[in-house]
Amino acid sequence: NAGVTQTPKFRVLKTGQSMTLLCAQDMNHEYMYWYRQDPGMGLRLIHYSVGEGTTAKGEVPDGYNVSRLKKQNFLLGLESAAPSQTSVYFCASSPTRNQPQHFGDGTRLSIL
Amino acid sequence: AQSVSQHNHHVILSEAASLELGCNYSYGGTVNLFWYVQYPGQHLQLLLKYFSGDPLVKGIKGFEAEFIKSKFSFNLRKPSVQWSDTAEYFCAVNAGYGGSQGNLIFGKGTKLSVKP
Repeated sequence: NAGVTQTPKFRVLKTGQSMTLLCAQDMNHEYMYWYRQDPGMGLRLIHYSVGEGTTAKGEVPDGYNVSRLKKQNFLLGLESAAPSQTSVYFCASSPTRNQPQHFGDGTRLSIL
Repeated sequence: AQSVSQHNHHVILSEAASLELGCNYSYGGTVNLFWYVQYPGQHLQLLLKYFSGDPLVKGIKGFEAEFIKSKFSFNLRKPSVQWSDTAEYFCAVNAGYGGSQGNLIFGKGTKLSVKP
């Protein structure tokens, strides 16, 4: 049982490049989330989804887009990467909003 | 808006010392409370959770937390820490209802370093 799987684990981009982070969960969870973790800032919610075909903005959505075309996958896109988006990105899922979230191993993204 | 405060940014203890990490939240209604742990280089893992009932909850690895509603607090405790408890600890809160206000709000984390 893999749980929540994120790909890639590491990536270096140049300013202005685009990329997509993939999150896949095999627990049949309805809710999925993308967070960014920065030193001294804790985890901040970027976007979330309450089910297949739905997305919503979190606390820090600017510069990111998401899609949930399939229930098990939640994609995070950076259209034009900026150095301020250098961070560790975590995906999480939960069966309902109030249940504990299960986290992936993270993607460390550096933008030069 | 809800907020979560963790008072200690970095705590350094010797093995066998007792631990208490503070967490306060700002929401006055029904809340669900969580403590997560992140070991170096790893993802967040659930330590314990409180939804309702006994305000003293026990989690994994000997950790426990006490919900004190009147103080809006959910402090994490462990009687005797081990070197393997070195990690970053996050308190998280969500309101017990739907809508965007029901999303999980994390504190900024407390790094715990345990000296052998």
